[in-house]
Amino acid sequence: DGGITQSPKYLFRKEGQNVTLSCEQNLNHDAMYWYRQDPGQGLRLIYYSQIVNDFQKGDIAEGYSVSREKKESFPLTVTSAQKNPTAFYLCASRQTGELVGGANVLTFGAGSRLTVL
Amino acid sequence: RKEVEQDPGPFNVPEGATVAFNCTYSNSASQSFFWYRQDCRKEPKLLMSVYSSGNEDGRFTAQLNRASQYISLLIRDSKLSDSATYLCVVRGPAGGFKTIFGAGTRLFVKA
Repeated sequence: DGGITQSPKYLFRKEGQNVTLSCEQNLNHDAMYWYRQDPGQGLRLIYYSQIVNDFQKGDIAEGYSVSREKKESFPLTVTSAQKNPTAFYLCASRQTGELVGGANVLTFGAGSRLTVL
Repeated sequence: RKEVEQDPGPFNVPEGATVAFNCTYSNSASQSFFWYRQDCRKEPKLLMSVYSSGNEDGRFTAQLNRASQYISLLIRDSKLSDSATYLCVVRGPAGGFKTIFGAGTRLFVKA
């Protein structure tokens, strides 16, 4: 089945450590996104990538980094510079261009829950 | 003003009730509109796209009013399983990649 796989599902980090969250999709989607969700709040965009080897900062990119070396993969690194990294991280993807019959919707992975100890 | 604003929740309704959620957006050039459903500690999942002519999917009806920059979701005959957070989602102008999520409206359906 096609979908988006995020790992790990749960991650605990000590202050000062960098961690990398994995996101892999087999949907052949061009665009991929990373969002952060805090309790009781909406999703905020961290980074997005429209094509391989290209990515742009979202609204809250400080303290995060990404790469897009392969179409299928868009890993997110939470660096020690991110002051409040405890959150639910969601990766999403969508096809770009015109699709017959509808808009290009975002499909999400199951998320990674990061807790800083 | 937030780019996408939703009714503050939570909504507490009995089974069988009809409930309506509202959403407004600030960018008049927005092109695509959606409602997503998010269960507790899970990822958002597409409930339905919203079209200018309005659209219905079983007990769910979505409406879009471009002139007022307003989107609505109506749920008829509420079920216990409808309890979730409903996210209003707006995508920027055609060719743009920015997708904005509302903070969500929490719905509790009681027996």
